[in-house]
Amino acid sequence: GAGVSQSPSNKVTEKGKDVELRCDPISGHTALYWYRQSLGQGLEFLIYFQGNSAPDKSGLPSDRFSAERTGGSVSTLTIQRTQQEDSAVYLCASSLVYGFGNTIYFGEGSWLTVV
Amino acid sequence: QQQVKQSPQSLIVQKGGISIINCAYENTAFDYFPWYQQFPGKGPALLIAIRPDVSEKKEGRFTISFNKSAKQFSLHIMDSQPGDSATYFCAASSSDTDKLIFGTGTRLQVFP
Repeated sequence: GAGVSQSPSNKVTEKGKDVELRCDPISGHTALYWYRQSLGQGLEFLIYFQGNSAPDKSGLPSDRFSAERTGGSVSTLTIQRTQQEDSAVYLCASSLVYGFGNTIYFGEGSWLTVV
Repeated sequence: QQQVKQSPQSLIVQKGGISIINCAYENTAFDYFPWYQQFPGKGPALLIAIRPDVSEKKEGRFTISFNKSAKQFSLHIMDSQPGDSATYFCAASSSDTDKLIFGTGTRLQVFP
């Protein structure tokens, strides 16, 4: 596809369940990012990947959050034992390379609601 | 820790008017300042960006003004149009971390 693709676009889950959010970056982009957007909040950095490695996991809110990337392409963000405060839009983005000043391209997000 | 402060939270402008959104940063190492535009249901998209070696950058109706000494930068939208109605985010990064830090966003509404 031409842009960053995310699935599911919407997910409603019960508190305590695990969820997986998928991101398919722009073809050829080596850097991949996850951000979280909560109502009335800015874009909160979660994690980034350069290839399959994640040098910076500092933004993950707790150990319930994890992410992986395989084959230098698709990434999955997993939230275990979801809580209501996890409700947000999870945005994935990619850039050609990771580095200062590179344009990052966002997907349309996965809207997660924990009930 | 909020490293980039953005104001106002919301802005209502009449068609043809000037929209001004302000951001202030704390980290003096920041040296790349992009603005992103987000329409409802879409992801943010890069609108315009500036580096601190210039004080102003203009692209069409959109202008970034940068004040390094005050650690502030702003987005000006001239001749605002209803199609400009969106949420705007400022951001900043530095060459040593590369991580983009975003402001909290400004919801702009332009009425005809």
